[in-house]
Amino acid sequence: EAGVAQSPRYKIIEKRQSVAFWCNPISGHATLYWYQQILGQGPKLLIQFQNNGVVDDSQLPKDRFSAERLKGVDSTLKIQPAKLEDSAVYLCASSFLRDRGGYTFGSGTRLTVV
Amino acid sequence: GENVEQHPSTLSVQEGDSAVIKCTYSDSASNYFPWYKQELGKGPQLIIDIRSNVGEKKDQRIAVTLNKTAKHFSLHITETQPEDSAVYFCAASNGGSQGNLIFGKGTKLSVKP
Repeated sequence: EAGVAQSPRYKIIEKRQSVAFWCNPISGHATLYWYQQILGQGPKLLIQFQNNGVVDDSQLPKDRFSAERLKGVDSTLKIQPAKLEDSAVYLCASSFLRDRGGYTFGSGTRLTVV
Repeated sequence: GENVEQHPSTLSVQEGDSAVIKCTYSDSASNYFPWYKQELGKGPQLIIDIRSNVGEKKDQRIAVTLNKTAKHFSLHITETQPEDSAVYFCAASNGGSQGNLIFGKGTKLSVKP
């Protein structure tokens, strides 16, 4: 099966600019996650979708981050305005069932804010 | 909320030796414990997982053990090979209905030929 697709692979922006990341999960996976991975750390959950509804966005900095999952398939994560501390790899993952674990991660988007 | 501690942060072994990475968790309600391998420039890849109703699970050269009483679990890699070199993450589900994973900070494993 095809994996989780993410784009772009790399992005460099100046602080206060905006940026958007795109994710296409594995076909049939109802649950989609966005994680932030700062260099040298483990991934940290930003938001979880079940189909096109938000299940958990408690860790999402809502003053600058937003995410949507239209039609329960693709998802976009946006940052506006970006800060230097947003430099990280943004990982998208999907799973078939919400409480069965077994996430499949994409390769991520490496964001550098200068 | 759940907190996952992982040790060591770096581990260097000779090819053929065994490697052990240990994690502890704080939430006794956690019931799912996966291990991920992350190679440079790639996303984490699930290599093995264990649920709280099982004490040990093995898949070829990789095994995971779980001690629910002590709230710790470990990854064991035997007969290490250079291609095992990567960053390994443990994780725990935070219980409840969301099933979100809380990750440790990772262990960079280097296998020297």
